[in-house]
Amino acid sequence: GQNIDQPTEMTATEGAIVQINCTYQTSGFNGLFWYQQHAGEAPTFLSYNVLDGLEEKGRFSSFLSRSKGYSYLLLKELQMKDSASYLCAVKDSNYQLIWGAGTKLIIKP
Amino acid sequence: NAGVTQTPKFRVLKTGQSMTLLCAQDMNHEYMYWYRQDPGMGLRLIHYSVGEGTTAKGEVPDGYNVSRLKKQNFLLGLESAAPSQTSVYFCASKFGRADTGELFFGEGSRLTVL
Repeated sequence: GQNIDQPTEMTATEGAIVQINCTYQTSGFNGLFWYQQHAGEAPTFLSYNVLDGLEEKGRFSSFLSRSKGYSYLLLKELQMKDSASYLCAVKDSNYQLIWGAGTKLIIKP
Repeated sequence: NAGVTQTPKFRVLKTGQSMTLLCAQDMNHEYMYWYRQDPGMGLRLIHYSVGEGTTAKGEVPDGYNVSRLKKQNFLLGLESAAPSQTSVYFCASKFGRADTGELFFGEGSRLTVL
């Protein structure tokens, strides 16, 4: 079967750095996505990786290793507004998105 | 530019009642999706459409029907609601298959079935 694993919850301190991991086992691979979802709101797109390596976008970076079935989202200079759930999703061989359950990130002052 | 709009935002149903959720997008996207989101689970695809007049089943289609009569609208119907269909429903759209695949989501519709 297809599976996406992420930690359920993480806690970090304002101003610090946090890394949210995602491991996947899917039938084929056509890209990996990270979305941010604030409580009670819709998911919003953060990043897309299809080749190995690091993609940087401001305070957020996303890394992919296809051989290891692994990705991480790195958040720097954490702000209180970064408190949200972070969803990892993989596009499989049929171009369908398989979603992880999400990681709830709690930022403490 | 409203993006993706879902109506209604909240609804309470009794078991056996029927209802329709409406999703409208103004971005001229070809692909539209209905997902449900439940605590502790990832988003699960109910049905999707790759263009006007087409629909296809997703991961959890049972108990739901859909229609895409107009490109901008994607309707999700529950013919006989069950408590197991209590969930938050998200509509999403994207331009096409060959793009990066960024999905644009509506704000969600919270459905409770008693």
